[in-house]
Amino acid sequence: DGGITQSPKYLFRKEGQNVTLSCEQNLNHDAMYWYRQDPGQGLRLIYYSQIVNDFQKGDIAEGYSVSREKKESFPLTVTSAQKNPTAFYLCASSMSETSLNEQFFGPGTRLTVL
Amino acid sequence: QKEVEQDPGPLSVPEGAIVSLNCTYSNSAFQYFMWYRQYSRKGPELLMYTYSSGNKEDGRFTAQVDKSSKYISLFIRDSQPSDSATYLCAMSEAGNNRKLIWGLGTSLGVNP
Repeated sequence: DGGITQSPKYLFRKEGQNVTLSCEQNLNHDAMYWYRQDPGQGLRLIYYSQIVNDFQKGDIAEGYSVSREKKESFPLTVTSAQKNPTAFYLCASSMSETSLNEQFFGPGTRLTVL
Repeated sequence: QKEVEQDPGPLSVPEGAIVSLNCTYSNSAFQYFMWYRQYSRKGPELLMYTYSSGNKEDGRFTAQVDKSSKYISLFIRDSQPSDSATYLCAMSEAGNNRKLIWGLGTSLGVNP
């Protein structure tokens, strides 16, 4: 089955620790995205990548880092510099060669900082 | 003012009702318009997309775009309890700007 997988589904972190969220897709999509979703704030773009070995900051990149070493994978690291990391994190992908930015989402990772 | 405005609800309707969900926007350069459905604690899934103005129908769902009014709508006919979810609108410009601008989402409950 083609799709996007995110792991883990739930993640707990102590303050001051870095944590990495996994995102893998087998849709052969060029572009991948990370969003954060908080109650009452909708989806906010953290980072996006349109091609391997290249990525751009979104609207709320501070305290986060990403890498794009493989087309299929776009891991997100939440660093200790992120002041309010508890949120629902969503990964998405889309085909870059089309003008339509139709994004497909993974099931999400819920991160809780203890 | 946000680029995309969407009433968060919640909206509660009886089973079988016609539901109308709406978003307004301010950027006249938006060309692509999408509706996503998100069940609780799941990722959003694409329901409908339209390019520029007009209507698009898919089963019980109809997406409508009125660019002159900067207003988009999603209609759900014969609503079912399984339609209970949050509906998010998203839109983007054409060309190389692929950034989607999202509404906050409207929470819909369909009561049996």
